[in-house]
Amino acid sequence: EVRLVESGGGLIQPGGSLRLSCTASGFTVNTNYMTWVRQAPGKGLEWVSVIQTGGSTYYADSVKGRFTISRDNSKNTLYLQMNSLRAEDTAVYYCARDIPGGAGLGDWGQGTLVTVSS
Amino acid sequence: QSALTQPASVSGSPGQSITISCTGTSSDVGAYNYVSWYQQHPGKAPKLLIYDVSKWPSGVSNRFSGSKSGNTASLTISGLQAEDEADYYCSSYTISSTHVFGTGTKVTVL
Repeated sequence: EVRLVESGGGLIQPGGSLRLSCTASGFTVNTNYMTWVRQAPGKGLEWVSVIQTGGSTYYADSVKGRFTISRDNSKNTLYLQMNSLRAEDTAVYYCARDIPGGAGLGDWGQGTLVTVSS
Repeated sequence: QSALTQPASVSGSPGQSITISCTGTSSDVGAYNYVSWYQQHPGKAPKLLIYDVSKWPSGVSNRFSGSKSGNTASLTISGLQAEDEADYYCSSYTISSTHVFGTGTKVTVL
């Protein structure tokens, strides 16, 4: 059974850093495209970043230069390093697995809340 | 990376069919057949309904169907049911190798 569990969220001051983790089971992260999506309170979904099987990474303009996506194959875990956090980064962050052979996010975690506030 | 445009709300009676539109540009929706649709109930993670414009993931009802014409994609829900009341989002791959979501549509079952 595929399972994704995010952790690492919490309250952080503006300008601070936080690293989110997404532990996967039932598949290996390095053989799938893995994506981070966020949702601000009461707002819509926002695509954040993807890491492809070959290691290429892409980011939304809103986080480029501040966030870094990575993975640890030995721990079967996806990460999102978030630096220079802003109030507008406050959101539930979801990790998701792309559906194999297609373009769509077929499996999602439960999300972890990041609150950026002083 | 502007969000794709969806109607804010759509409603219908049980048993009816409704269609949600998703309008992008030639740099996203119009560029590839890589549009996906998601259903999200309050407090829950999104669920994939349709991928690659019109394909169903395993376990998803065929009451949900997708299509695309030019820069606009559409999701049709047939035989509307009470449990279909939720928020719906489209998403598209872009020419920048990123993805973009739609603004979201709240579906109300009357």
